[in-house]
This record gives sequence, C-alpha cells and structure tokens, in this order.
Amino acid sequence: NAGVTQTPKFQVLKTGQSMTLQCAQDMNHEYMSWYRQDPGMGLRLIHYSVGAGITDQGEVPNGYNVSRSTTEDFPLRLLSAAPSQTSVYFCATQKYEQFFGPGTRLTVL
Amino acid sequence: AQSVTQPDIHITVSEGASLELRCNYSYGATPYLFWYVQSPGQGLQLLLKYFSGDTLVQGIKGFEAEFKRSQSSFNLRKPSVHWSDAAEYFCAVGAGSSGGYNKLIFGAGTRLAVHP
Repeated sequence: NAGVTQTPKFQVLKTGQSMTLQCAQDMNHEYMSWYRQDPGMGLRLIHYSVGAGITDQGEVPNGYNVSRSTTEDFPLRLLSAAPSQTSVYFCATQKYEQFFGPGTRLTVL
Repeated sequence: AQSVTQPDIHITVSEGASLELRCNYSYGATPYLFWYVQSPGQGLQLLLKYFSGDTLVQGIKGFEAEFKRSQSSFNLRKPSVHWSDAAEYFCAVGAGSSGGYNKLIFGAGTRLAVHP
C-alpha cells in the first residue's frame, strides 16, 4: 500500500498562476485534510472532507479551493497564487489517527 | 479558543541524556492528544497518542508521554536520547467533532538538536 501520496514534490509558481496539488490515498479512509506548514507556526488546517461530496473550511481557507468526488482523491486548488502561499503543504487522511503524506514544497515568486 | 503551546522553540541535549519536551493545551472537552516527529524534508510521523485510559502512554522509538488534566499538559519524554532523535517535534490536540475529532490543532514545534 502506498498510503498517502502527494504530487508534485516541488513547485515554483509566479504570482497569479493557478495550479492543483494532488493528494491520493489507498487506505479507504473517509476523512481527508490539507494543512500548510510555515516556520514557527506548526501546521494549520486549510480544508477538510469527511467523505466524497462533503468539504468544509479549516483555519486558513482563503485562496484555496477543494472538491472531493471520490474517496481516494482530494485535490487542493490555488486559483491565483500569491507569495503568501509559499509554504509546505501536507495532505492527511484519518481513521483513528491522522496519516500524513510526504508534502509539497511550493514557492510563489 | 482551542490552542496548543510548546514553550521551547529549540532544545539541545547531549546524546544519552534524558529529554522532556513540554506541551500545554487549551480545550474544553476531553482532549485527543498527539505527538508527531518530523525529520528535515520529511512528512510527519506519529510517535504516540492519548485518547483515554492510562495517562502514561508509550510510543515508538522509546518515547512516552504523560497526560495531566490538572495541568493541561501532555509532555513527551525519553530516558536516553540518540543522535537520530534530532528532529522537530509537534504536539497536537484533536478537535471539532462530538465523540471524536475532525481536525488537529498543532503547536509551533520544538526543534531538538543532539550533541555527540
């Protein structure tokens, strides 16, 4: 089992560009979430989903969109990237505990 | 408001010395508590968790943590640190859903350095 996979591992964008961070899991967990990690701030929840077709906002949702059409996939969309979105992004799934993917390091110039 | 405080940003210990990383939480209900470790450039690995029951919990890699409700604390300990323990450690509380949790609130992390 691959667990939680994230693509790409690294990405550089220019301000205003759009992109989608991919997250996939093969553990059949209903719950998935996206966090961003910034120095000195730990991880902060962006969006989460308790199952296909159901999403909700976390602590820092502005500038990000999500959708959940299947149990396996939970993509995170940046519609118009800003330098403040430079961060490391982690996807996670949850059964009784949360399992994290390896992360995507995003730089917005 | 729910929050997690890790008072120590950086800690340096000598290899073989004991370790205690502090974590205080603010949460109105019975907390679900976690410690994660992150090595440089890596994702987060769960060290241990507390849901209920025995307040002293054992985790992987020789770590343990003690839940103290009266002090709102969940400190992480290890009796003898190895050089490979150098990493960043995050305390987290699970929140947001009755009878369980649907999000994690993280502390800012403690970076551990180990001297040979």
